[in-house]
Amino acid sequence: EVQLVESGGGLVQPGRSLRLSCAPSGFSFDDYAMHWVRQVPGKGLEWVSGISWNGGSIGYADSVKGRFTISRDNAKNSLYLQMNSLRADDTALYFCAKGMRAWDLLPLDSWGQGTPVTVSS
Amino acid sequence: AIQLTQSPSSLSASVGDRITITCRASQSITTSLAWYRQKPGKAPELLIHDASSLGSGVSSRFSGSGSGTDFTLTISSLQPEDFATYYCQQFNRYPLTFGGGTKVEIK
Repeated sequence: EVQLVESGGGLVQPGRSLRLSCAPSGFSFDDYAMHWVRQVPGKGLEWVSGISWNGGSIGYADSVKGRFTISRDNAKNSLYLQMNSLRADDTALYFCAKGMRAWDLLPLDSWGQGTPVTVSS
Repeated sequence: AIQLTQSPSSLSASVGDRITITCRASQSITTSLAWYRQKPGKAPELLIHDASSLGSGVSSRFSGSGSGTDFTLTISSLQPEDFATYYCQQFNRYPLTFGGGTKVEIK
């Protein structure tokens, strides 16, 4: 069974940094693209960033480009999202999601339960 | 970025009803469209990929159609677990984008 467990969320002041992690299990991590998607409580889904199986292709939402960095360590079976210069409008529940195959421009077929991030002074 | 417009934003229906949700893209995305269902307090679930292909383990009461800029999701007979919010998503190019969502409520 595919499982994705996010961690690293919490309360952080504006302008500070936070690093999210995602621990996958139940599939061969290095065969699949991975993504981060966020959701403000009560609002819609916003795709944040995606990375192909080997990190050769990466994309970002315009709202986070230049501030957030996605990365993966296939040897450690881990996905990361480094979030810098955080703003109040980055406050959301952050989901880790698995792509259907190795290429990143594909649907997301499994999701974690999310880790909450609150940016506030 | 490619914009996706879903309609309606909400609808009321009864168990057993047939409903249709539409998703319009601001430019052609061929068939690079997926549909998700999100139950309250839960993570989204993939229902349809490539506009019309049923996701793994997904009930056949769900179907999708369309190509280019206009797409539809149809639920042939609403079940209690289908009262949720539905999102379309394009994966034709970066940045990936979601529609605004359609909330299906019990009449």
